[in-house]
Amino acid sequence: RKEVEQDPGPFNVPEGATVAFNCTYSNSASQSFFWYRQDCRKEPKLLMSVYSSGNEDGRFTAQLNRASQYISLLIRDSKLSDSATYLCVVFRGGADGLTFGKGTHLIIQP
Amino acid sequence: DAGVTQSPTHLIKTRGQQVTLRCSPKSGHDTVSWYQQALGQGPQFIFQYYEEEERQRGNFPDRFSGHQFPNYSSELNVNALLLGDSALYLCASSSGRADSPLHFGNGTRLTVT
Repeated sequence: RKEVEQDPGPFNVPEGATVAFNCTYSNSASQSFFWYRQDCRKEPKLLMSVYSSGNEDGRFTAQLNRASQYISLLIRDSKLSDSATYLCVVFRGGADGLTFGKGTHLIIQP
Repeated sequence: DAGVTQSPTHLIKTRGQQVTLRCSPKSGHDTVSWYQQALGQGPQFIFQYYEEEERQRGNFPDRFSGHQFPNYSSELNVNALLLGDSALYLCASSSGRADSPLHFGNGTRLTVT
C-alpha cells in the first residue's frame, strides 16, 4: 500500500457546485497533514493545514479522520480558478520529509 | 521580499554527466528541502538541509547529494545521470520545525538524453 493515496481524477465539476475528495495514508503515526495546490506547470503552494478538529478557510474545509486514516478537502461554490491539482501531504516525523500524494486533478467547468 | 529562487530554469544533459542545481530560500527561512517531480506524479522528497547539514533524507541513491551554505542557499548535485532522472526538481524553503509549511521555487526542468 502506498504511503499517501489519492484518486487522480480528473474530477469534472460545474461551476458553483460542491466537490470533495479524500486522501488516505498508511502510517498511523503520521503527525501533520496538509493540502497543497499545484497549477499546471507551476510550483505547489500551501492551501491549508489540516487539524484534528477540522478547519475551514473561506470556501475550503479540511478534515482529518485518524481512526480511518484519511483526510478530506471540501470546496464549496467552486470557481473556475479552483481548477488545479490538489496534493495531499503527510508528515510522519523521524527521518522523513513531507510525503506528497500524486494529486487529484480538478476541472471546474463553466 | 524575494521568494524561493532556483537556477537554472531548464537544463539538458546526457547520460553519465553530472549536474548542479541551485536554490536560494525565501528571506527569513533557514531550511531547504529538495523534491523530484516526474510528469503526472507528486513531488518525491530527496533531502532536507538545516544548519548546513542533511537533516532528513528520502529514498534516493547516493548519486544525489547536496550542500547548504552559511547564507542558507543550497545546491543539489546529481552524478552519473540516468534517463530516469529527467524531472522537475523543486526546492522548497521553510523555517523551524521539520513539518513547517513549504514555500516552493519555480523548479528546474532537467532533461537527460
